[in-house]
Amino acid sequence: AQSVTQPDIHITVSEGASLELRCNYSYGATPYLFWYVQSPGQGLQLLLKYFSGDTLVQGIKGFEAEFKRSQSSFNLRKPSVHWSDAAEYFCAVGATGGDKIIFGKGTRLHILP
Amino acid sequence: DAGVIQSPRHEVTEMGQEVTLRCKPISGHNSLFWYRQTMMRGLELLIYFNNNVPIDDSGMPEDRFSAKMPNASFSTLKIQPSEPRDSAVYFCASSLGRVDTQYFGPGTRLTVL
Repeated sequence: AQSVTQPDIHITVSEGASLELRCNYSYGATPYLFWYVQSPGQGLQLLLKYFSGDTLVQGIKGFEAEFKRSQSSFNLRKPSVHWSDAAEYFCAVGATGGDKIIFGKGTRLHILP
Repeated sequence: DAGVIQSPRHEVTEMGQEVTLRCKPISGHNSLFWYRQTMMRGLELLIYFNNNVPIDDSGMPEDRFSAKMPNASFSTLKIQPSEPRDSAVYFCASSLGRVDTQYFGPGTRLTVL
């Protein structure tokens, strides 16, 4: 069965610092991978997705993620975070022929001024 | 595009009352998902529909919960009778296919006193 793990429940970084949020998945076939962001009081918004092709995916708000099949990972990165990036981030995985997307438990990002 | 529309945005009710949450998916989307989010349990998939047919309701916590999708543009999630532990934010999401980008509504914050 497919699964997705976000090892970090909370991450704190200083404004202007770089960011990497980890996501590991478990599935035999090539997965569909997603990152969503949820700001306080809001619904989830898609940041980026990987279906096929280039393993480095660019998203909105300056985020990118890299699909590494050998490590079963799809980590989210941003070179310089802004205070407005404070939110909860969800990684999700689906698969061709699968029946639905599975969401990770989320990583809450805190930004220090 | 209006996005996924949920109503009401906030609902406060007393224990034992019936609660009905409503969702209008994005036009043309074939799959609709209901989620519940709490601090303790995170984001949980309750039920999802494909072409108006319920596919997987294994996440519905109890018989007090029921969901319908009478047509492609409307779905309801009903709780009868409601209990304080049902207090949560309920999200509706829709997508073109089962394993595709899900677009979330703003959520309904339910408080059961």
